[in-house]
Amino acid sequence: NAGVTQTPKFQVLKTGQSMTLQCAQDMNHEYMSWYRQDPGMGLRLIHYSVGAGITDQGEVPNGYNVSRSTTEDFPLRLLSAAPSQTSVYFCATSKGTGELFFGEGSRLTVL
Amino acid sequence: GQSLEQPSEVTAVEGAIVQINCTYQTSGFYGLSWYQQHDGGAPTFLSYNALDGLEETGRFSSFLSRSDSYGYLLLQELQMKDSASYFCAVRDPPPRDDKIIFGKGTRLHILP
Repeated sequence: NAGVTQTPKFQVLKTGQSMTLQCAQDMNHEYMSWYRQDPGMGLRLIHYSVGAGITDQGEVPNGYNVSRSTTEDFPLRLLSAAPSQTSVYFCATSKGTGELFFGEGSRLTVL
Repeated sequence: GQSLEQPSEVTAVEGAIVQINCTYQTSGFYGLSWYQQHDGGAPTFLSYNALDGLEETGRFSSFLSRSDSYGYLLLQELQMKDSASYFCAVRDPPPRDDKIIFGKGTRLHILP
């Protein structure tokens, strides 16, 4: 089992470019979420999904879009990247016990 | 909304015991969890408290007082490998009980 897989691991973008961070899980967990981590700011929730077809906003959703067409995948889209979106992004899943399982992270730099 | 407070840094000596506190202010509460993160790595789950009291898992214990909106993580017999950041996190009540909000983290430094 791969667990939670994030791609790419590293990405450099120019301001205004768009991209999608991919998150795939083979744990059959209903809940998936995206966090960003910046120095001194902890992990901040961007968007989350409690199942296929259902998404909701977290603490810092502006500038990001998500969709959940399958249980396995939860992509995070940046439509027009900004330097403020430079961060490490983590995808996480849960089986409903309050325990999150994290991917290895995707480090994004926006120039 | 949710608000969590924990110290930004704590320093302790190898072999000793250290306690990391977490206080929270929430519009709803379903449980408190703790995560460990080493530099460059992903957070990993340590413990979860839904009810008041102490939960023990090996060298790590976690405590919750719902009436005080307070919890702590206790690390015993500290080892150098315990040098990491530790995050408390609160879980929303149902039906959004998998929405989990994190504190800013506590950096634990361990001296030999």
